[in-house]
Amino acid sequence: NAGVMQNPRHLVRRRGQEARLRCSPMKGHSHVYWYRQLPEEGLKFMVYLQKENIIDESGMPKERFSAEFPKEGPSILRIQQVVRGDSAAYFCASSSDLRASYEQYFGPGTRLTVT
Amino acid sequence: QKEVEQNSGPLSVPEGAIASLNCTYSDRGSQSFFWYRQYSGKSPELIMSIYSNGDKEDGRFTAQLNKASQYVSLLIRDSQPSDSATYLCAAQGGKLIFGQGTELSVKP
Repeated sequence: NAGVMQNPRHLVRRRGQEARLRCSPMKGHSHVYWYRQLPEEGLKFMVYLQKENIIDESGMPKERFSAEFPKEGPSILRIQQVVRGDSAAYFCASSSDLRASYEQYFGPGTRLTVT
Repeated sequence: QKEVEQNSGPLSVPEGAIASLNCTYSDRGSQSFFWYRQYSGKSPELIMSIYSNGDKEDGRFTAQLNKASQYVSLLIRDSQPSDSATYLCAAQGGKLIFGQGTELSVKP
């Protein structure tokens, strides 16, 4: 399967715990984007990363949220001290290096539930 | 604030009809535009991309772009019940900005 992979698909955390969401981009893609979709709301951009670099984090909440895309391994979105309002679907997308292609392909998402 | 606006719907069309979905965007610097389809509980699926003014056709789908009017549309010909989903319009001038989505229901 050469598509974008995310895990876990479902994650339940109690308030105050940490959530770690992982994303492996499509083969040949080195650009990773994270989006959040709250129930009955649209997709909201969070952060854009390339290997070892954060390119745009303008959509990231200022506290508790962080993201990385190390040289080796998947991209990680980390949410510390989760609150009920963090319950949402978190999607990762990837795109290629080619300037001609800005098309982003989405993974299946991680559904986070905070109890 | 850069925005992408869509009618939330629901838009209901009979099977076999043409479904017309519309979108406007506020950022004149946006260069690339995309339509995604999202079934309930699933992730967005890219169905069309358009970069220049005019029409782009792919099977039953036609995307139209008018940069002067800051307007993007998606036509679905011969609509099928399996087309029932939420359609998301996105504009890119850097990051992707998504509209709220239009829910389409195709009635058999």
